[in-house]
Amino acid sequence: AQSVTQPDIHITVSEGASLELRCNYSYGATPYLFWYVQSPGQGLQLLLKYFSGDTLVQGIKGFEAEFKRSQSSFNLRKPSVHWSDAAEYFCAALKAAGNKLTFGGGTRVLVKP
Amino acid sequence: DAGVIQSPRHEVTEMGQEVTLRCKPISGHNSLFWYRQTMMRGLELLIYFNNNVPIDDSGMPEDRFSAKMPNASFSTLKIQPSEPRDSAVYFCASSLAGDWYGYTFGSGTRLTVV
Repeated sequence: AQSVTQPDIHITVSEGASLELRCNYSYGATPYLFWYVQSPGQGLQLLLKYFSGDTLVQGIKGFEAEFKRSQSSFNLRKPSVHWSDAAEYFCAALKAAGNKLTFGGGTRVLVKP
Repeated sequence: DAGVIQSPRHEVTEMGQEVTLRCKPISGHNSLFWYRQTMMRGLELLIYFNNNVPIDDSGMPEDRFSAKMPNASFSTLKIQPSEPRDSAVYFCASSLAGDWYGYTFGSGTRLTVV
C-alpha cells in the first residue's frame, strides 16, 4: 500500500541550530513529494515540492529538501532555526497522474531559546 | 484571492445534533478535499470532488457523514447525528487538478461534540 512515514514524532532543537526532518515514502513509482507546515490553530501551508529534476529543492522560509531515490526519502532541512519555526511539519506524496495527497503522521518541532 | 474559506472556525454541539461545516474553495480550483485531523489518526482524507462530482468517499467514516458540492464555489460536510468521537479539526482544501502546486488549505473548523 502507498504510504508516507515520518519516523520522528517530536524534535526539540535550539534556536540557531540546524534542523532535519525525515520522511520516507512507499510507492510503486516515484511520487510527487511535498512538505507542509502547520502552525498552532492554523491550516497547512506548502513549504516546497518535488516533481522531478534537481534533487535538492528550495522552499519558503529558508527550508530545503533533498530527494534520494535510493533511500525513498525526502528529508527537510533548515540550516538555522528561528523560534517562529516551532510548528508541526507534514510530508506528503501524490501518485503521478493521481489527485489524492497522502500525508505522513507529522513531526512536531519545538524550538528552545 | 481570500484563499479557502471555512466556516465556522469553532463549533461546539451536543451529541445527537446535526452539524454542518462549510467550505468555499479558491475561485478557479476544480478539486476540493475534506480532511479530518485528530491526535490519534493524524490527517485523514474523508472525500474529494472533481468538478463538483464526488470521486472518492472511501474515507468517510460511516453513514452519519455526508458531503455535497452543489456548485464550484461551495461545499458542505454534514454529520448527523454527531457523536463525541467526531470531535476533531476538519480541513477543506482545494486545488487545480493537473496543476501541481499542491493543495491550498483552509484554516479548519474545530468541532467539539459534548
